[in-house]
Amino acid sequence: EAAVTQSPRNKVAVTGGKVTLSCNQTNNHNNMYWYRQDTGHGLRLIHYSYGAGSTEKGDIPDGYKASRPSQENFSLILELATPSQTSVYFCASGGGCGEQYFGPGTRLTVL
Amino acid sequence: GQQVQQSPSSLVLQEGENAELQCNFSSTATQLQWFYQSPGGSLVSLLSNPSGTKHTGRLTSTTVTKERRSSLHISSSQTTDSGTYLCAIALMNQGGSAKLIFGEGTKLTVSS
Repeated sequence: EAAVTQSPRNKVAVTGGKVTLSCNQTNNHNNMYWYRQDTGHGLRLIHYSYGAGSTEKGDIPDGYKASRPSQENFSLILELATPSQTSVYFCASGGGCGEQYFGPGTRLTVL
Repeated sequence: GQQVQQSPSSLVLQEGENAELQCNFSSTATQLQWFYQSPGGSLVSLLSNPSGTKHTGRLTSTTVTKERRSSLHISSSQTTDSGTYLCAIALMNQGGSAKLIFGEGTKLTVSS
């Protein structure tokens, strides 16, 4: 069954540490996205990609990097994690019609 | 201003009643998608409906593109329908990708 999976599902990191969130999709979609969801801000787009090897900045890219090594995989990298990056992170994949399908989310706590 | 507005912000129903959720948007959208999110859960795509009427199970969505509005009708509500319903429009980016603009959601509570 086509799906978007994320790992880890929960992560506790220390301030200044490096965190990598991984996403895998079996939808064969060209486009992949990283969002964060916070109370009071809703869902905000961090980075997106329209194919292997491409990464583009979304609305709130500062403090985040992204990597798309293949059609199936899209990673979000926090080189120097800060407490303000404590959030729930969602990955999504989408085709050319604008529809997006979301993964289960990763709850990240930065202490 | 807010590009996607949803109403009502919250709705309380008795099991078996019908729900009508509204979504108004201010930009031309190539796609409109309704999502369900349970507390602490992920976003589940319910319907993609950029225009016209679509049905799936107890859900019916009607989108009138030129009036920039969409509705989601839930018939015979169940307690398991409780959660937040999000409306999102897609604005196309380069390379064929899309940026989703979300409304703030309607929180539905169905009691038995």
